[in-house]
Amino acid sequence: AQTVTQSQPEMSVQEAETVTLSCTYDTSESDYYLFWYKQPPSRQMILVIRQEAYKQQNATENRFSVNFQKAAKSFSLKISDSQLGDAAMYFCAYRSTRNSNYQLIWGAGTKLIIKP
Amino acid sequence: EAQVTQNPRYLITVTGKKLTVTCSQNMNHEYMSWYRQDPGLGLRQIYYSMNVEVTDKGDVPEGYKVSRKEKRNFPLILESPSPNQTSLYFCASSLRTSGRAYNEQFFGPGTRLTVL
Repeated sequence: AQTVTQSQPEMSVQEAETVTLSCTYDTSESDYYLFWYKQPPSRQMILVIRQEAYKQQNATENRFSVNFQKAAKSFSLKISDSQLGDAAMYFCAYRSTRNSNYQLIWGAGTKLIIKP
Repeated sequence: EAQVTQNPRYLITVTGKKLTVTCSQNMNHEYMSWYRQDPGLGLRQIYYSMNVEVTDKGDVPEGYKVSRKEKRNFPLILESPSPNQTSLYFCASSLRTSGRAYNEQFFGPGTRLTVL
């Protein structure tokens, strides 16, 4: 069974600085998706970025980028120029491309605090 | 507006009193799923449905029931709630895909359930 581990329960960063959130996963599959979701105090789940395992190029969405290391099974999220609105819980998630159930396997989350 | 709606958003109930949390989507999605979110555990899948009248268990189905009689609705039923079902519940939906093709899962706003 696949697992996702986020080892940082909480991280803090100064506004306008850069922060990296860590995620590792375990799978025997070669084809899958990885995601970062943001959950602000409103509790809404917001997709931040997606990475396909077959793509070597790291995904980027504006100030958000990932460092995908397939061999190491590592998938970190880098947030550049941190803003107060980035304060939230961040979840790393995995989805198999083979499983007919589109189940997302989630990490425990990292609470990101932005210091003004 | 394309969306997934859940009702109620907040619910406080007592042990053993049957309740239903509704989930509805207006995007004509075949796939729907229920997750529960608990601190330190991330989200875990309860049940999912690949289409009308097709449902199956996720990782934590005990104590829950679901039905899928219409494409747009996927209610979560707790026949006899217990305090260990106090949690934040999310409904999600997406189009069905084949192979590597990806379709985003859309999440509802969440239902905060407290069982006393």
